Amino acid sequence: DADVTQTPRNRITKTGKRIMLECSQTKGHDRMYWYRQDPGLGLRLIYYSFDVKDINKGEISDGYSVSRQAQAKFSLSLESAIPNQTALYFCATSDGWTSGAVPLGQFFGPGTRLTVL
Amino acid sequence: AQKITQTQPGMFVQEKEAVTLDCTYDTSDPSYGLFWYKQPSSGEMIFLIYQGSYDQQNATEGRYSLNFQKARKSANLVISASQLGDSAMYFCAMKLIQGAQKLVFGQGTRLTINP
Repeated sequence: DADVTQTPRNRITKTGKRIMLECSQTKGHDRMYWYRQDPGLGLRLIYYSFDVKDINKGEISDGYSVSRQAQAKFSLSLESAIPNQTALYFCATSDGWTSGAVPLGQFFGPGTRLTVL
Repeated sequence: AQKITQTQPGMFVQEKEAVTLDCTYDTSDPSYGLFWYKQPSSGEMIFLIYQGSYDQQNATEGRYSLNFQKARKSANLVISASQLGDSAMYFCAMKLIQGAQKLVFGQGTRLTINP
């Protein structure tokens, strides 16, 4: 089984609808992240969470909200979807990086391709 | 603030040739890590190689090596003996030990290997 799973993998929705993207991990990592990928712009951080009680905005959080239901689950919601939120969304996890240790990259889920009509 | 710049939107290379993908970075923090990811057409992000800011030697992983020039703030990926399966998007990313420890990505380079 995959270490980081995302559901759904593909979703087509209409403008104004509320959408939830879900992420689950079996890595046991405390840190979870949501990224958005647009063509030509690379990946940009939407929200991140260091633990269940710690939620932080990334660089492009407007129009999104998140919920960390458990250490292993981190959901991203679009309250009222709009067409320019059409993108590929990635969930990622990592351990914390402490001085003297080799940092991990992040472990990515397979992505959710969202289309807003 | 962190910034990653990849100046090659696309590259075309003949199979079996070596290829260098450019990456420059900007940070004032002394402790950071540099990563390269591969994204094939299927969309998943595949980790390739890592270089730490204090590492004295360039990182290598099989056919991948990272040409780390700290003074120039560059971290170019070198793929030796390219294969058709290397055709993909390639992203350079940086992580700081301070703060969110998020990955900041460049815009990516689309590599196409021609037979």
